[in-house]
Amino acid sequence: EVQLVQSGAEVKKPGESLKISCKTSGYTFTDYWIGWVRQVPGKGLEWMGIIYPGDSDTRYSPSFQGQVSISADKSTTTAYLQWSSLKASDTAIYFCAKSYGGYSYYFDYWGQGTLVTVSS
Amino acid sequence: EIVMTQYPATLSVSPGERATLSCRASQTFSRDLAWYQQKPGQAPRLLIYSASTRATGVPARFSGSGSGTEFTLTISSLQPEDSAIYYCQQYNKWPPLTFGGGTKVEI
Repeated sequence: EVQLVQSGAEVKKPGESLKISCKTSGYTFTDYWIGWVRQVPGKGLEWMGIIYPGDSDTRYSPSFQGQVSISADKSTTTAYLQWSSLKASDTAIYFCAKSYGGYSYYFDYWGQGTLVTVSS
Repeated sequence: EIVMTQYPATLSVSPGERATLSCRASQTFSRDLAWYQQKPGQAPRLLIYSASTRATGVPARFSGSGSGTEFTLTISSLQPEDSAIYYCQQYNKWPPLTFGGGTKVEI
C-alpha cells in the first residue's frame, strides 16, 4: 500500500528556519517524482516544486524559486521541504504528493498535510 | 505559464441532479488534465487524469471530457458525499504545474 506520511504541525516565528518531511512507503521511491503543494487556509492549491529522488532533479515554480528548498533522502525514502527564513505569509498547509509516473505529472497519492503557522 | 480558470466558483445542486464543472486553460493543449476532489480537512483525492480516465476506485458517476482549452467534470447523479471542492490541474507545460481556483459543490 502506497503511503505518504508527513511530519506534524509546526509553530514558528518569522525569520526561523524549518524543514518538514514526507515519509513514503509502498512503492519504489526513486522511480517517481514527488511534489509539494501549498494551501493557504480557505484558499486553493498552489504547486511549489517537484523532485525526482532517483537523481535529485528538482524543479520549482517561479513563485517559490529561491523561497524554499526541496530535497530527498533515498536511504529513508523521505522527501523534505525547507525554509531558511520563514515569513508570516508562509502560514499554510503543505502537502506532499507522488506523481503517477512516466511523463504524467499529476498526483495519485497525497500526504495528510502539514500545517505550518508563522507568527510572532 | 498556463493559467487555469474554473467556473462556476460555487455550484448548488440537489441530490440526484447532474453537476457540470468547467475548467478553461489560457493555452491550448491536448488532454494533460487532472481533476481532484478535496473535502474539508482532507488532502486532495485524484478523480480523473488524461482529461477523461477515472482513477482507481472512483465511482462511475464521475466523468471528464474536453481538450484544447475547455474541460469538463460531470457528476451524473450527485450524492451527499460529493459535497467538496473540485480542482483541475494541467500537466502539459511545466514548470509550473498549475491548478484552477476550484469549484465548491454544495448539496
